[in-house]
Amino acid sequence: EAGVVQSPRYKIIEKKQPVAFWCNPISGHNTLYWYLQNLGQGPELLIRYENEEAVDDSQLPKDRFSAERLKGVDSTLKIQPAELGDSAVYLCASSPGQATDTQYFGPGTRLTVL
Amino acid sequence: QKEVEQNSGPLSVPEGAIASLNCTYSDRGSQSFFWYRQYSGKSPELIMFIYSNGDKEDGRFTAQLNKASQYVSLLIRDSQPSDSATYLCAVIDGSARQLTFGSGTQLTVLP
Repeated sequence: EAGVVQSPRYKIIEKKQPVAFWCNPISGHNTLYWYLQNLGQGPELLIRYENEEAVDDSQLPKDRFSAERLKGVDSTLKIQPAELGDSAVYLCASSPGQATDTQYFGPGTRLTVL
Repeated sequence: QKEVEQNSGPLSVPEGAIASLNCTYSDRGSQSFFWYRQYSGKSPELIMFIYSNGDKEDGRFTAQLNKASQYVSLLIRDSQPSDSATYLCAVIDGSARQLTFGSGTQLTVLP
């Protein structure tokens, strides 16, 4: 069974530029998560989807971050414009259904903003 | 603010020893508890989950949960150099809404 797929794996951009990350969850997993992980810290939730619905986006900085999961499968996370402080690893995870389910992580996208 | 606290380490143990990793959490209603392993430059990988008080064993790994003390631990027996990684404790809160991670404990197993 294929795991969570993310692309790109690495991205270097200049500040004020836009950037987008893509995630394809494990087949059949209804719940999808986007996390941000800074060096030396644990992942922090940005947004959680149950199918197409964003059920928890309380920690998503909505002035510059947006996300979508139009068909309840793939998801895209966008930052526009990027700031220096956005440099981090962006992780996508998925779980079968309930919020209490085990979450499986993708390889992440390492973003560097210059 | 729900919190999950871990000793950041680094924790060093000799090969073959038992490594003990500890975690405390603030939300008394927390339901589910997870241990993830993260190698440098890689994504978190699930090692174990535990829902009930007591011990749960899986190979060389044992998770221990004490809800009264709001404490969860991970024991690694017969530690190997390949166990060297950061271990993340994660807790799902009482409202079953969000997985909160600790900052991780860096473990080094010395050959």
